[in-house]
Amino acid sequence: GAVVSQHPSWVICKSGTSVKIECRSLDFQATTMFWYRQFPKQSLMLMATSNEGSKATYEQGVEKDKFLINHASLTLSTLTVTSAHPEDSSFYICSALTRMNTEAFFGQGTRLTVV
Amino acid sequence: AQSVTQLDSQVPVFEEAPVELRCNYSSSVSVYLFWYVQYPNQGLQLLLKYLSGSTLVKGINGFEAEFNKSQTSFHLRKPSVHISDTAEYFCAVSETTNAGKSTFGDGTTLTVKP
Repeated sequence: GAVVSQHPSWVICKSGTSVKIECRSLDFQATTMFWYRQFPKQSLMLMATSNEGSKATYEQGVEKDKFLINHASLTLSTLTVTSAHPEDSSFYICSALTRMNTEAFFGQGTRLTVV
Repeated sequence: AQSVTQLDSQVPVFEEAPVELRCNYSSSVSVYLFWYVQYPNQGLQLLLKYLSGSTLVKGINGFEAEFNKSQTSFHLRKPSVHISDTAEYFCAVSETTNAGKSTFGDGTTLTVKP
């Protein structure tokens, strides 16, 4: 099956630092990946659509300068949370769209805690 | 744009009883529909999906769902639940022309009591 891996699974960082989260499609190529954020006891909210070789498309209200997305290859997209603050603490989940273009497969998520 | 409404935020049920988690959606175009389960501090696990074809979809762990286009619903059912089914369940929709870009419902917390 299609496997998507996120790294790290959890990370704690100090306020003001930057954190990079990786999303890899392990057994398929994904020209499109998606980044979601999930606050405690809430649903998943789409942050941005990541396209290989081009700029990401951000959802309304998401700061593109704060959440940097790079999709440099067909199997890797990265989300960098810059100058992290405690309010950025959340569960970040990525998904990768298969070439069948019918569904995306989800990574296991990354728990970010900013202290 | 599409939207998803999960009609029950919490569903308590006794072990071995049947359960139905309700999901309605709104979209002006054709959609794909999904149900996911999320256990505490974990990612999403796909239970089942409707892409096309038969409107009755069977998934993992004994779950099934029926796509009702006229009622724009995709309710999830299980005839007999187990304690281990206690989790958060999310219904999601994506447009067929923009697959992968999913809109999620607010989730339903299923609590199975002994």
